[in-house]
Amino acid sequence: AQSVTQLDSHVSVSEGTPVLLRCNYSSSYSPSLFWYVQHPNKGLQLLLKYTSAATLVKGINGFEAEFKKSETSFHLTKPSAHMSDAAEYFCVVRVGGYQKVTFGTGTKLQVIP
Amino acid sequence: DSGVTQTPKHLITATGQRVTLRCSPRSGDLSVYWYQQSLDQGLQFLIQYYNGEERAKGNILERFSAQQFPDLHSELNLSSLELGDSALYFCASSVAPNPSTDTQYFGPGTRLTVL
Repeated sequence: AQSVTQLDSHVSVSEGTPVLLRCNYSSSYSPSLFWYVQHPNKGLQLLLKYTSAATLVKGINGFEAEFKKSETSFHLTKPSAHMSDAAEYFCVVRVGGYQKVTFGTGTKLQVIP
Repeated sequence: DSGVTQTPKHLITATGQRVTLRCSPRSGDLSVYWYQQSLDQGLQFLIQYYNGEERAKGNILERFSAQQFPDLHSELNLSSLELGDSALYFCASSVAPNPSTDTQYFGPGTRLTVL
């Protein structure tokens, strides 16, 4: 079985400062890992995904994440927060097919002007 | 706008009733996925269809069923509704069923309220 833990339910940053959203996973097999963003009253949008290629994954809107097998982590970062980044972010682990997809509980990012 | 459409946007119904949620995938996408997002369970994958056939099943209750039609739109049927079924139901679509490489595009969701 696999699991995913988003370590912070809420993160607050000032505009222009770095963003760090933390995600730890556990999996018996090599996982695929994803970050999605959900803006209020919208569907989920894929930010980036890791599927056993490069461990540093670059996504849209300046986000990136690093797969660290030794730490079982897949933290999401962005060098400089923008007001439009305020949303909820979900870390997702998937092993094999969609029968085994697990969503994290989400991290709400607040960006203070 | 992802190109995935869902109707209706909002649905309010009573316990014991049955409802149908509809999803139209992006043009060219053959795979459709259904998800449920609720406060207590978070986001859960329910079921996947690819080109009209069921491909994968997640945490879908027996009271729920889905199908994908020849024109590739999909419907999620929820019956004998309970208060706990109140949630946001998302549909997503992708070109192919390959879980390693395909990117899913999500619709805006249908908010179901069961009173």
